[in-house]
Amino acid sequence: GENVEQHPSTLSVQEGDSAVIKCTYSDSASNYFPWYKQELGKGPQLIIDIRSNVGEKKDQRIAVTLNKTAKHFSLHITETQPEDSAVYFCAASPRGNTGGFKTIFGAGTRLFVKA
Amino acid sequence: DTEVTQTPKHLVMGMTNKKSLKCEQHMGHRAMYWYKQKAKKPPELMFVYSYEKLSINESVPSRFSPECPNSSLLNLHLHALQPEDSALYLCASSLIFRDQGAADTQYFGPGTRLTVL
Repeated sequence: GENVEQHPSTLSVQEGDSAVIKCTYSDSASNYFPWYKQELGKGPQLIIDIRSNVGEKKDQRIAVTLNKTAKHFSLHITETQPEDSAVYFCAASPRGNTGGFKTIFGAGTRLFVKA
Repeated sequence: DTEVTQTPKHLVMGMTNKKSLKCEQHMGHRAMYWYKQKAKKPPELMFVYSYEKLSINESVPSRFSPECPNSSLLNLHLHALQPEDSALYLCASSLIFRDQGAADTQYFGPGTRLTVL
């Protein structure tokens, strides 16, 4: 089955710096890659996603890149702000016989943005 | 509107109690999900309903009993739980691509924080 590895587990940056979180996946049939942000005491919130027919997607300060050949995808946050502090999960959705209903999550990255 | 609501926010129950968690969405999504999340871990899939029918059960113990009474509501009935079942229980929903029978983006609710004494 699909396996998603996420690094680093903890990331501390100064306000205004960039943050990069990297994930790798194992199942070449995966074609949808969402990123979720989870604040303390809340449910995961979708912040950006990318499909396998696209190499890069950007939404204001957030961007995601996908390298299908290497099975890597990354989240880039520029000009970080204290409110970006949260746990970030990458995920992969293998189409296969589960039809994308099983989303496989990475272990999570705890991002701290120091003011 | 991408809102999934869950009640209650917090629940404390004894091991002999019976309680239910509720989830609701009005986005027209025909797939609904229950996840369990322990502290500092990613969400772990428990059940998937598609078109109000149970389609995936990730070998969850029978003390957890899901129910999908209609396309907007999802319940999780709890009975004879163990202290290790204490966790954040998340509900999610997604569209289904009818022509592919495949699920789209999952949107999560805020969760119910469950404590079993």
